[in-house]
Amino acid sequence: AQSVTQPDIHITVSEGASLELRCNYSYGATPYLFWYVQSPGQGLQLLLKYFSGDTLVQGIKGFEAEFKRSQSSFNLRKPSVHWSDAAEYFCAVGALGASGTYKYIFGTGTRLKVLA
Amino acid sequence: EAQVTQNPRYLITVTGKKLTVTCSQNMNHEYMSWYRQDPGLGLRQIYYSMNVEVTDKGDVPEGYKVSRKEKRNFPLILESPSPNQTSLYFCASSLGPTLGQFFGPGTRLTVL
Repeated sequence: AQSVTQPDIHITVSEGASLELRCNYSYGATPYLFWYVQSPGQGLQLLLKYFSGDTLVQGIKGFEAEFKRSQSSFNLRKPSVHWSDAAEYFCAVGALGASGTYKYIFGTGTRLKVLA
Repeated sequence: EAQVTQNPRYLITVTGKKLTVTCSQNMNHEYMSWYRQDPGLGLRQIYYSMNVEVTDKGDVPEGYKVSRKEKRNFPLILESPSPNQTSLYFCASSLGPTLGQFFGPGTRLTVL
């Protein structure tokens, strides 16, 4: 069965420190991979996506993610965190369903806290 | 402004009283979807639609209905709401299912 795992429920980092949020997926083929961010009381915003090609993808707000097929991972990184990055982050997989249409599976999210 | 709109934003209702949450997008997107968000469970897809008149079940479709009669609208219908449908609901759309989605602001539903 398809699944997405975000093993860290909460992460706390200091402002200016680097950040890595983990995401592992289970899917039989090469998936479409996404990271979204949800600020408190807001909807979700797409940070970046991966379909094929270069395994290191750049996104908005200075984020990047690396696809590692051998580890079934798609970790999100940022070299220097800003206080405004405090939010919840979701990894998602776009997968082909049984009926030949695409469905989405989201992880349970990682809540990021940034210390001043 | 490109956007996904949902109405109402907040709703408190009682068990068994039919309700509809509307979703509309102005970006001419083909793909639309409904999710529910519950603490500790992330987002779970309820229904999605690849195009007009084409809908499919997500992972948690029980107790919900949808219709896609026009490209821009994708209403979510709860025929007989129950307390376990108390949740935060999001509508989303995209040009295609693999292109990343635009999300609406959410509808917080409480069923008493």
